[in-house]
Amino acid sequence: KAGVTQTPRYLIKTRGQQVTLSCSPISGHRSVSWYQQTPGQGLQFLFEYFSETQRNKGNFPGRFSGRQFSNSRSEMNVSTLELGDSALYLCASSQGQGTDTQYFGPGTRLTVL
Amino acid sequence: AQRVTQPEKLLSVFKGAPVELKCNYSYSGSPELFWYVQYSRQRLQLLLRHISRESIKGFTADLNKGETSFHLKKPFAQEEDSAMYYCAPGSGNTGKLIFGQGTTLQVKP
Repeated sequence: KAGVTQTPRYLIKTRGQQVTLSCSPISGHRSVSWYQQTPGQGLQFLFEYFSETQRNKGNFPGRFSGRQFSNSRSEMNVSTLELGDSALYLCASSQGQGTDTQYFGPGTRLTVL
Repeated sequence: AQRVTQPEKLLSVFKGAPVELKCNYSYSGSPELFWYVQYSRQRLQLLLRHISRESIKGFTADLNKGETSFHLKKPFAQEEDSAMYYCAPGSGNTGKLIFGQGTTLQVKP
């Protein structure tokens, strides 16, 4: 099976702009989780989508949002970008039953100037 | 609050030496416990999970509910074990993992 893919892999934006990141899960997986990875804060959970519904949410401001489509592909959006949003954004997919093993994508490196 | 502590940022050992990467957690309920690993220039991947009780690449992890610890161990480290290791409890029935800060394991020849 193909692994989790994320697009784009690299992105440069300026403060105040918005950005959309995309994640395609492993075929048959219904859950997609998003994480932010920074040197200072490490890996932090953003949110999880399961069957097109947000099932869990981390402690991030409302500028961070996401959605999931009927084919389980997911997007996350960050509006009004701040310098501190520069990070590696990882998505992970799982079958979604209980606390399944999560399979991670390579990440999208976002740089905010 | 849910919290995971990996007290060592860097652990450096010689090849063939035993390894123990510490993980302590503060979590309500009975979380499922995972160790994930990230090798250089590779994506984050599962190393082992408590419920399966498998030994992967010679690593094992023992859950101590009294101490709320889930330390990762290997009796004889190999150079290819050099990587970043993350302890991560999972929230029941959801895809939410709480990651520790990670420990870089450096195995010297």
